[in-house]
Amino acid sequence: GENVEQHPSTLSVQEGDSAVIKCTYSDSASNYFPWYKQELGKRPQLIIDIRSNVGEKKDQRIAVTLNKTAKHFSLHITETQPEDSAVYFCAPEAGTYKYIFGTGTRLKVLA
Amino acid sequence: EAGVAQSPRYKIIEKRQSVAFWCNPISGHATLYWYQQILGQGPKLLIQFQNNGVVDDSQLPKDRFSAERLKGVDSTLKIQPAKLEDSAVYLCASSLDPGSEQFFGPGTRLTVL
Repeated sequence: GENVEQHPSTLSVQEGDSAVIKCTYSDSASNYFPWYKQELGKRPQLIIDIRSNVGEKKDQRIAVTLNKTAKHFSLHITETQPEDSAVYFCAPEAGTYKYIFGTGTRLKVLA
Repeated sequence: EAGVAQSPRYKIIEKRQSVAFWCNPISGHATLYWYQQILGQGPKLLIQFQNNGVVDDSQLPKDRFSAERLKGVDSTLKIQPAKLEDSAVYLCASSLDPGSEQFFGPGTRLTVL
């Protein structure tokens, strides 16, 4: 079956610094790569996604880069703020229109 | 636009009892998902519907879990009988079609004693 790994599992950064979270997947046929943010006690929310025909996508302070050859994609958050503190999940496509969530990365932004 | 609605928000039951969760997706969304999220883990897909048909239920423990989506709109997820390890948040999500952004409901937190 599809194997999805996220690294690191926890990440602490100083406010204003950058954070990078990496997601590795095994299904070479995957074509859709989303990142979700889940604040404590809240529902997951899509923050950015990328499709396989694009190598990088940016939305203000958030960017996602995709390396299909190496089967990994990464979430980049620049100029981190305390409100970025949350758990982040990747959920690459695993089989046609089926998504497997990673184990999550707990990001803590220290003020 | 109204979001995905779920009820109840919280449920406490004893093991071996039955429980049902309800989900109302965003209007017009053909795809509906039920996830189980155990504390400290990522959401795990239990079942995926496309309109009123099941697309994937490979991770649904069919001896105790069942789900239906009559008329391709609302959906219910049932557990009978519940076990201690079923304690989790059950999330419903919907999307316009299978390859589109998923919108999650607030979830139902189930505690099995």
